[in-house]
Amino acid sequence: NAGVMQNPRHLVRRRGQEARLRCSPMKGHSHVYWYRQLPEEGLKFMVYLQKENIIDESGMPKERFSAEFPKEGPSILRIQQVVRGDSAAYFCASSRGATSNYGYTFGSGTRLTVV
Amino acid sequence: GESVGLHLPTLSVQEGDNSIINCAYSNSASDYFIWYKQESGKGPQFIIDIRSNMDKRQGQRVTVLLNKTVKHLSLQIAATQPGDSAVYFCAENSQGGSEKLVFGKGTKLTVNP
Repeated sequence: NAGVMQNPRHLVRRRGQEARLRCSPMKGHSHVYWYRQLPEEGLKFMVYLQKENIIDESGMPKERFSAEFPKEGPSILRIQQVVRGDSAAYFCASSRGATSNYGYTFGSGTRLTVV
Repeated sequence: GESVGLHLPTLSVQEGDNSIINCAYSNSASDYFIWYKQESGKGPQFIIDIRSNMDKRQGQRVTVLLNKTVKHLSLQIAATQPGDSAVYFCAENSQGGSEKLVFGKGTKLTVNP
């Protein structure tokens, strides 16, 4: 009964490269959320997806960031042309339904370092 | 409880003491609240939740209190243990609104043996 799986756990990218973060939700969960956490801060919402649909992307930066949750396979958070300010921990969470009914479960995160 | 870029509040207690961690939330329309525990290098772990139609909920060694009048949430940990050392976050959600959680700033709890 695996939890939310994120990979890689650590990712180092040079400025200008692309970063791809993967998230496999818990079995039976069709809702995926991405959050970003800077050091010594709380988590900030980025995007909420269901299979093949972006439901809420109000927390996503307007440029360079995109997310998808295809019919088959994991959810992907993609950051193009990374900059030092993108260095953070990125957490994925999944749920089987509405937050207020089910809450959700977080993965262990991907720690992105841009050098 | 929107996070701001400030140093985390800290709480240091002796093993066996009771701990109280406080959180002020921001949205009066929020009706579902969760406390998460985050250990170093790990993702947030669910501790306990409460809905706005309640003012108190108890779990194993933990109690959450909700005061909607002043938009305040607290987490009480009984007989605190070294394994309770972590950063604790409150999070709020509004049913009928977005599915996102809004996280508070976090409190770093250190339990001294």
